[in-house]
Amino acid sequence: NAGVTQTPKFQVLKTGQSMTLQCAQDMNHEYMSWYRQDPGMGLRLIHYSVGAGITDQGEVPNGYNVSRSTTEDFPLRLLSAAPSQTSVYFCASRAGGGGELFFGEGSRLTVL
Amino acid sequence: GIQVEQSPPDLILQEGANSTLRCNFSDSVNNLQWFHQNPWGQLINLFYIPSGTKQNGRLSATTVATERYSLLYISSSQTTDSGVYFCAVNTGGFKTIFGAGTRLFVKA
Repeated sequence: NAGVTQTPKFQVLKTGQSMTLQCAQDMNHEYMSWYRQDPGMGLRLIHYSVGAGITDQGEVPNGYNVSRSTTEDFPLRLLSAAPSQTSVYFCASRAGGGGELFFGEGSRLTVL
Repeated sequence: GIQVEQSPPDLILQEGANSTLRCNFSDSVNNLQWFHQNPWGQLINLFYIPSGTKQNGRLSATTVATERYSLLYISSSQTTDSGVYFCAVNTGGFKTIFGAGTRLFVKA
């Protein structure tokens, strides 16, 4: 059972480039979310989804896009990367209606 | 929105010592979790504990929902307990909010 899988684990971008962080879960969870973690800080919610076709903004959504076409996948898109988006990104999922949140191993992104 | 405060922010222990980490939250919550982020950055689920007390080996947690706090107890600490401990809460909506964490270093 893979749980929550994120790719890539490491990525270096130049300012203005675009990229997509992939997240997939095999637990049939309705709820999926993306967080960013900056050095020495906690996790801040970027976007979340409560099911296929349904997404909403979290605490720090600017500069990021998401979509949810399937239950399993929840990609995070950076359309024009900025140095301020240098961070570690975590994807998480849980069953709908509450319950335990499970995290992927993180994706470390550096924007030069 | 709900505020989540963790204390202490930093903690240094000698191996074998016990410790208590605290999480205060400003509103009623539907669920509360404790996580350990190890030195490699992985987030490990410790407890899912919206109320009551749970134990897992040397770790235990208590949440008093009516008084809006949770405690994480670490007994006989080991160097592998080092890392950051996060408390995260959900108020019944779809947003799980994290505290800033307690950074623990256990000396051999």
